[in-house]
Amino acid sequence: GAGVSQTPSNKVTEKGKYVELRCDPISGHTALYWYRQSLGQGPEFLIYFQGTGAADDSGLPNDRFFAVRPEGSVSTLKIQRTERGDSAVYLCASSIWGGNTGELFFGEGSRLTVL
Amino acid sequence: GDSVTQMEGPVTLSEEAFLTINCTYTATGYPSLFWYVQYPGEGLQLLLKATKADDKGSNKGFEATYRKETTSFHLEKGSVQVSDSAVYFCALLSGGNKLVFGAGTILRVKS
Repeated sequence: GAGVSQTPSNKVTEKGKYVELRCDPISGHTALYWYRQSLGQGPEFLIYFQGTGAADDSGLPNDRFFAVRPEGSVSTLKIQRTERGDSAVYLCASSIWGGNTGELFFGEGSRLTVL
Repeated sequence: GDSVTQMEGPVTLSEEAFLTINCTYTATGYPSLFWYVQYPGEGLQLLLKATKADDKGSNKGFEATYRKETTSFHLEKGSVQVSDSAVYFCALLSGGNKLVFGAGTILRVKS
């Protein structure tokens, strides 16, 4: 595919459950970002990968949130013991240039609803 | 911390009207500034950017000028079309590697 692909597009889960959200970036893009967008708000930074390593995870709200990118391509955002406040659209973005241009390509997002 | 404030919407205009969406920022130094747009059913995409004071970014008839005196980066278009209906986000590059976004402004253009 030509763009950033995110799955699932929609996920409904119950409070306390574990959730995984997947991001497949544009081929060849070394930088990968996760953002979270709550209703009526702009996207908020969660974590940034350069290659396989998390270069900046300062936006992760607490230790229930974790993300990996083991082979430097696909990334998975993992949320443990979900809470209702985790309900949001989780956006993934990638860039070929690394982190310092601000020119990102976004996926359509994964909408998470925690009941 | 760094932050972006943009005008609340929705903004509703008739086709061919002039558009301004205000954006101001608070940041250390002079960060690069961006406008991103989200069309219905699509992901966010970069509309335009400016990397230093007095730079003008432009694309698809939209333009914005980086004003350090007023810490602003207002988006303008001389004649909007129905196809411009979308959500517009102003953003700055913080800490060298992450975007800080405003809350977004919904634009609705009527034919």
